[in-house]
Amino acid sequence: DAGVIQSPRHEVTEMGQEVTLRCKPISGHNSLFWYRQTMMRGLELLIYFNNNVPIDDSGMPEDRFSAKMPNASFSTLKIQPSEPRDSAVYFCASIIGGGFGYTFGSGTRLTVV
Amino acid sequence: GENVEQHPSTLSVQEGDSAVIKCTYSDSASNYFPWYKQELGKRPQLIIDIRSNVGEKKDQRIAVTLNKTAKHFSLHITETQPEDSAVYFCAASDSGNTPLVFGKGTRLSVIA
Repeated sequence: DAGVIQSPRHEVTEMGQEVTLRCKPISGHNSLFWYRQTMMRGLELLIYFNNNVPIDDSGMPEDRFSAKMPNASFSTLKIQPSEPRDSAVYFCASIIGGGFGYTFGSGTRLTVV
Repeated sequence: GENVEQHPSTLSVQEGDSAVIKCTYSDSASNYFPWYKQELGKRPQLIIDIRSNVGEKKDQRIAVTLNKTAKHFSLHITETQPEDSAVYFCAASDSGNTPLVFGKGTRLSVIA
């Protein structure tokens, strides 16, 4: 199993540009979570999906952030327009229904200049 | 909602000594408490977890204890080694596939 796959690993973009982060969960996992990690705030939940349906997006910081899960094997997190304060590591994690313990992807390090 | 506090934020120990990291949580409905280890530049990885029906769990040099009455749980690492140096996160949730709420992390340094 290749694990949770995130792309890109690193993204540097200019303020105002659109950024799209991608995640492929482990096959058979039906819950997917997006977290943001910063030194100041630690690991914060942005949004999570069960069976491709968004369940709780209260952690999405602003309307500039959006997330989709069009099918069981793919999710995107989009920031439009991006701002320097969005710079962070964004992690995707998945888990099988009824299971315990997330598997995290390798993360995307986003730098907005 | 759930709030998880973690202490200390940094911890330095001599190689071979023990390390203890403590967490408290606020939501009495929480019943799943994992610990993750994150090495520099890498993903958090699950190292041990405990559910509310047990008070202690061990796996070689690491152990976790849970006190549901006091709403706190701890990670114990014995005979620390330099490769134990990392950031450790505790977390809590009310079931396996609901979101984990994480503590702010403890940076453990094991000095050879």
